[in-house]
Amino acid sequence: GAVVSQHPSWVICKSGTSVKIECRSLDFQATTMFWYRQFPKQSLMLMATSNEGSKATYEQGVEKDKFLINHASLTLSTLTVTSAHPEDSSFYICSARGSFQETQYFGPGTRLLVL
Amino acid sequence: TQLLEQSPQFLSIQEGENLTVYCNSSSVFSSLQWYRQEPGEGPVLLVTVVTGGEVKKLKRLTFQFGDARKDSSLHITAAQPGDTGLYLCAGGKGTASKLTFGTGTRLQVTL
Repeated sequence: GAVVSQHPSWVICKSGTSVKIECRSLDFQATTMFWYRQFPKQSLMLMATSNEGSKATYEQGVEKDKFLINHASLTLSTLTVTSAHPEDSSFYICSARGSFQETQYFGPGTRLLVL
Repeated sequence: TQLLEQSPQFLSIQEGENLTVYCNSSSVFSSLQWYRQEPGEGPVLLVTVVTGGEVKKLKRLTFQFGDARKDSSLHITAAQPGDTGLYLCAGGKGTASKLTFGTGTRLQVTL
């Protein structure tokens, strides 16, 4: 099956610092990657969609200058949380999708704690 | 706003019981995915259905896509503690679109 990895799996940082999360598709080319945020006991909330080589499309209410997304290759997308604050603490999950597919394959998630 | 409503929101049953989770919408979808998510992990794909009326079986799990492609169900036979988790349905509307996720059903199976 399609495998997606995320790194790191968890991170603790001080308020005001930036954190980068990597999402990799290991055995397929991901033309599109998605970044989600999940609050405890809730469903997934889509933050942004990124297509390889182009700018990400952010969902309404998501600050593009705070959550920087780069999708420079068909196997790697990164999410950078800039100037992180405690309210940014959450579970961040990426997913990847190949060309002409609707099914998304998810990474294992990254838990971010901002102190 | 596209919505996928799942019911029930929470279900606690004993090992060996059967259960059905529903995923309903007023919108038509070209595909419907079911995922299971365990605490602290990402969702894992269980099945994708694409044809109205389609039924797929995965061991003790049976998935059905409604004839009109607006709803879906997941039936688990003889539930086991390992089935515990958050079940999410997600509808797709073409390869260029994002998925619409359901509200989720949290299942707890006890011994």
